[in-house]
Amino acid sequence: GAGVSQTPSNKVTEKGKYVELRCDPISGHTALYWYRQSLGQGPEFLIYFQGTGAADDSGLPNDRFFAVRPEGSVSTLKIQRTERGDSAVYLCASSPTGHEQFFGPGTRLTVL
Amino acid sequence: DQQVKQNSPSLSVQEGRISILNCDYTNSMFDYFLWYKKYPAEGPTFLISISSIKDKNEDGRFTVFLNKSAKHLSLHIVPSQPGDSAVYFCAASENSGYALNFGKGTSLLVTP
Repeated sequence: GAGVSQTPSNKVTEKGKYVELRCDPISGHTALYWYRQSLGQGPEFLIYFQGTGAADDSGLPNDRFFAVRPEGSVSTLKIQRTERGDSAVYLCASSPTGHEQFFGPGTRLTVL
Repeated sequence: DQQVKQNSPSLSVQEGRISILNCDYTNSMFDYFLWYKKYPAEGPTFLISISSIKDKNEDGRFTVFLNKSAKHLSLHIVPSQPGDSAVYFCAASENSGYALNFGKGTSLLVTP
């Protein structure tokens, strides 16, 4: 079956712009996670959805970051007023149980 | 504060030999541990996991050992194959929430 898909695979934007990153989880997975990975680091947790609601958003770095999952499937991570420090690979994962998480290929965001 | 630590950034092993990757953690509330493998430009791929009620879990060539008193786990790959060359991430979670805390990764190179 299809795995987690993320679009776009690459996004280049200018400082101050708004970006949206999309995640399509594995069908039937109720849990969805966003992480971001900077060079030389492991993935860092951002937010976790159980169904449509954000069960844990403690990893969002500030109020420029927001994520939604309106129908309990596809999720969008939104970043306002992007900064150069936001440049990273943004990873989405889904899970049927909450323990083993299955990751997508990521979106590489570059803020110039 | 890094709660999951992989102190060896890289490891080189000859094909056919055992690879041992190590991971230490500081949070005593962690009760589920996972290993992920990552190739360049791809998302992390789930390899194997272990619950804190066990001290060993085996899946084919991969075995994970957990020493709770030392807050240490290790991944053994026997025999190592060139296709195992990748970055390996250790991750841990608390039962109360499912956010994964990752180490910085160990780059494994298996040489023919």
